[in-house]
Amino acid sequence: SQTIHQWPATLVQPVGSPLSLECTVEGTSNPNLYWYRQAAGRGLQLLFYSVGIGQISSEVPQNLSASRPQDRQFILSSKKLLLSDSGFYLCAWGVSYGYTFGSGTRLTVV
Amino acid sequence: GIQVEQSPPDLILQEGANSTLRCNFSDSVNNLQWFHQNPWGQLINLFYIPSGTKQNGRLSATTVATERYSLLYISSSQTTDSGVYFCAVSGQGGSEKLVFGKGMKLTVNP
Repeated sequence: SQTIHQWPATLVQPVGSPLSLECTVEGTSNPNLYWYRQAAGRGLQLLFYSVGIGQISSEVPQNLSASRPQDRQFILSSKKLLLSDSGFYLCAWGVSYGYTFGSGTRLTVV
Repeated sequence: GIQVEQSPPDLILQEGANSTLRCNFSDSVNNLQWFHQNPWGQLINLFYIPSGTKQNGRLSATTVATERYSLLYISSSQTTDSGVYFCAVSGQGGSEKLVFGKGMKLTVNP
């Protein structure tokens, strides 16, 4: 069966520190992968998506970047975190019949 | 891009009551999903329903694609139904990127 793993679950980082969030999927090949952020309030905003290794599309200009070094691995990074980067980050795997989300990482930048 | 509007924004119910959540979208879609976000932030896929009607226990959903809306019905609500419900769609322009509504916060009181 297909599963999606995301870690860590929670993270507290100081302003200016680097960030690396990892997402991996199992049970599928060449998945479309997505990073979403949910800020205070409820809306989910698409940050990045990838249709294959090394292929990254950015939806919004920001302090973050994404990489896909392997078929089933999607990484969200930052060189220097800002206070505004705080939020709930969700990785998703999408196929034609729907999306499946990871359990999310709650990031607090202090 | 495609717009998604959900109503009502918030709803408070007594246990056992029924409710209907509505999702309007601004363009033709090839994917529509309803999600429930539990108190821990996990997004649970309830229905993949770009058209037609589906039922799963006390929950059912109907999408009328020609009129650009979808309804999620919750019958005999339970306290465990509390959380935020999202409608998300992707357009027919070839992109599979899901666009989320702002969500509806449901509180079911015992």
